Amino acid sequence: AQKITQTQPGMFVQEKEAVTLDCTYDTSDQSYGLFWYKQPSSGEMIFLIYQGSYDEQNATEGRYSLNFQKARKSANLVISASQLGDSAMYFCAMREAALLTQGGSEKLVFGKGTKLTVNP
Amino acid sequence: DAGVIQSPRHEVTEMGQEVTLRCKPISGHDYLFWYRQTMMRGLELLIYFNNNVPIDDSGMPEDRFSAKMPNASFSTLKIQPSEPRDSAVYFCASSLWDTYEQYFGPGTRLTVT
Repeated sequence: AQKITQTQPGMFVQEKEAVTLDCTYDTSDQSYGLFWYKQPSSGEMIFLIYQGSYDEQNATEGRYSLNFQKARKSANLVISASQLGDSAMYFCAMREAALLTQGGSEKLVFGKGTKLTVNP
Repeated sequence: DAGVIQSPRHEVTEMGQEVTLRCKPISGHDYLFWYRQTMMRGLELLIYFNNNVPIDDSGMPEDRFSAKMPNASFSTLKIQPSEPRDSAVYFCASSLWDTYEQYFGPGTRLTVT
């Protein structure tokens, strides 16, 4: 069963504007973690931001913030003041913690990604 | 500090040949992950190790794939025999227990003709 859904195959944004990349997830666990990674055309995977399911505040890292709506099971990434260098693939991922009491599970499940293009 | 190191960066081989991909995790990290990325299937976890012990290999596609971690600083992913459908980018990543960030290597682009 698909656990992470990213419904936007591609997004376009003007430089200096904000953009929201959507991510919904499916889990029955109470404890889990949500991640966003960036993959530029060069191919490397770059960690951007993390949100724990018990975190009361939305995570922020510089121009990145995670709009976490637990009841709706969504974890959208907001990029403020877009820059040309933000053009890349963006992946949402989830780590379920159901097995933490049994030694931990570090398995990440990724969505299919959203290709963001920032126009000058 | 050096990040996760993978070799080779590119590999082109013929169907039926054995392929070995190599990974050196970040020093001190106790988790190591192997991922495969394709257009059709996206990024999927193949196997991960904790303290050199394989924990979850449910993502390994079939017996042609095997992974080892003989010590804390080295891991291999072997495909024997290789097939064209194995063509993909293979990533290695490492992390520390009780932290959340996985650090990815640059990937190995494998092409099987």
